[in-house]
Amino acid sequence: DIQLTQSPSFLSASVGDRVTITCRASQGISSYLAWYQQRPGKAPKLLIYAASTLQSGVPSRFSGSGSGTEFTLTISSLQPEDFATYYCQQLNSYPFTFGPGTKVDIK
Amino acid sequence: QVQLEESGPGLVKPSETLSLTCIVSGGSISSDYWSWIRQPPGKALEWIGYISDSGNTNYNPSLKSRVTISVDTSKNQVSLKLSSVTAADTAVYYCASLLRGLIDYYGMDVWGQGTTVTVSS
Repeated sequence: DIQLTQSPSFLSASVGDRVTITCRASQGISSYLAWYQQRPGKAPKLLIYAASTLQSGVPSRFSGSGSGTEFTLTISSLQPEDFATYYCQQLNSYPFTFGPGTKVDIK
Repeated sequence: QVQLEESGPGLVKPSETLSLTCIVSGGSISSDYWSWIRQPPGKALEWIGYISDSGNTNYNPSLKSRVTISVDTSKNQVSLKLSSVTAADTAVYYCASLLRGLIDYYGMDVWGQGTTVTVSS
């Protein structure tokens, strides 16, 4: 199985901050990486797919980059509704594994 | 817009079979791929598997011997069965549609609200 690690595990930030989360894969996955946002008690929401393609309806302050084994999710200006946990997922090979998550909290 | 709603018993006894359904509305169940994902309390997401529009399935090897995903087109529902459950199967279970290209997979773009299953005697 392809293992995904995320850093940091926890991030404390303020409204308006620029936030970057990193996802690393144990082997190359081309650009088959998705990012999700999960608010407490809610289902995950797809933000980015194919490493850098913004899902329809997702605000443009979210962006993704990377290929191979290293990927980043950036929130350009953190908004109150962005405080949540973020997961990456690889869809290059079975099983489609998720990262352990990064919780973004209010400073 | 496709909407998904999971349902099933909230409590299942150890060694029994967990059975969940996901009702698909607002779209054709026959033209998409459908996934199940679960999330134990306080933990990360785990992909269980998917079923394709032609009925082919792909399961997580960690669960493969115990899991069955099927589609009933007459009822517009996707089903998940997980046999011989233990406390480790306690989780919120989600169904989701799989965003894909011709031969590629991109992510789960529509999710149900999830249903909580507790395994306990």
